[in-house]
Amino acid sequence: GDSVTQMEGPVTLSEEAFLTINCTYTATGYPSLFWYVQYPGEGLQLLLKATKADDKGSNKGFEATYRKETTSFHLEKGSVQVSDSAVYFCALHRDDKIIFGKGTRLHILP
Amino acid sequence: DTGVSQDPRHKITKRGQNVTFRCDPISEHNRLYWYRQTLGQGPEFLTYFQNEAQLEKSRLLSDRFSAERPKGSFSTLEIQRTEQGDSAMYLCASSPGGGSNQPQHFGDGTRLSIL
Repeated sequence: GDSVTQMEGPVTLSEEAFLTINCTYTATGYPSLFWYVQYPGEGLQLLLKATKADDKGSNKGFEATYRKETTSFHLEKGSVQVSDSAVYFCALHRDDKIIFGKGTRLHILP
Repeated sequence: DTGVSQDPRHKITKRGQNVTFRCDPISEHNRLYWYRQTLGQGPEFLTYFQNEAQLEKSRLLSDRFSAERPKGSFSTLEIQRTEQGDSAMYLCASSPGGGSNQPQHFGDGTRLSIL
């Protein structure tokens, strides 16, 4: 069945470092791909999405490109801030269900 | 702008008791979803509604679980005869329609702890 695999955390970086969180998926057909973020004490929020191959989603300085050939949707940010500390979930969306990865906790040190 | 609202935020109960959670979706959204999130895991789909119709249930939803959306607005999730393994965060989400392009808007969740 469909599944999402993302790099395990926690990931700890210094402020202004470059961030990559790897995500790969297994799915039949052409799902939409999402990144959700969960800040401490808050609910899940949509960060960005891509609905077809080669689409690039972007928001708040984060980017991810839907790579069909490598079945990947890696999350990147050029310069992270302390406020980016959160748990990030890669997800695929098909047939009205979202299948989430396990989440990657990100700590940004000042 | 009111988002998805869940009540209560936290519930602590003894094993064997029944619990009920409520979710109020964004008002114009006709789709409503329930997920369960255990520690260190991503949310897992439980069930969803279109208006008042329950369209799909996951195998995770044992017969001790029941969800309703009687008037197509708010929804309740009831767990009967709770067990230790039911301890989790229960998340509700809503969307204006179906399909894989529609992002779901999540509430803050109800954290259930079984003593």
